[in-house]
Amino acid sequence: GAVVSQHPSWVICKSGTSVKIECRSLDFQATTMFWYRQFPKQSLMLMATSNEGSKATYEQGVEKDKFLINHASLTLSTLTVTSAHPEDSSFYICSRFYTDTQYFGPGTRLTVL
Amino acid sequence: KQEVTQIPAALSVPEGENLVLNCSFTDSAIYNLQWFRQDPGKGLTSLLLIQSSQREQTSGRLNASLDKSSGRSTLYIAASQPGDSATYLCAVRTTNAGKSTFGDGTTLTVKP
Repeated sequence: GAVVSQHPSWVICKSGTSVKIECRSLDFQATTMFWYRQFPKQSLMLMATSNEGSKATYEQGVEKDKFLINHASLTLSTLTVTSAHPEDSSFYICSRFYTDTQYFGPGTRLTVL
Repeated sequence: KQEVTQIPAALSVPEGENLVLNCSFTDSAIYNLQWFRQDPGKGLTSLLLIQSSQREQTSGRLNASLDKSSGRSTLYIAASQPGDSATYLCAVRTTNAGKSTFGDGTTLTVKP
């Protein structure tokens, strides 16, 4: 199956700073990747679909200027949380499909102080 | 709009029991359904994928069934072990290029 990595696994930052999270597809190229966030004891909420070489598609209610997504290569998508605030603290997970199966990265825990 | 529901939200069983987790969806025109396991603070691990043309899939002690007409899928876990303790999520995909819709999950605790 596909292998997806994320970096960092956890990050703590001060309010007002920006944080970049990387998602890599290690063994296969990915023209499309997905970004989710998950609050404690809740299910996954799709934030956006990352498209290689073009703009990301954001879900309704997700601020595209706050959550910047870049998919510059077929193996790397990045999510930048700009001007982070405590309410942005969450678990962010990326994923991709391979032969119809969805594979997830290990997630990134963001804590904004 | 596809909606996915998982019942129960939490389940606690003694070790060795067989158990069934339920997943229901509102739109029966699905492309496939996937079951995942999530351990606390971790990403999701794929357990089983059932295509719309299939009725069930098996992997070890796990068996997943799909009944599109009734909008239901079940995940059967045989001879449960403490290591099976985790949250189990199902996800439904409507098209081969579409995004997945997730249920809220069932948190399973298997007591030694």
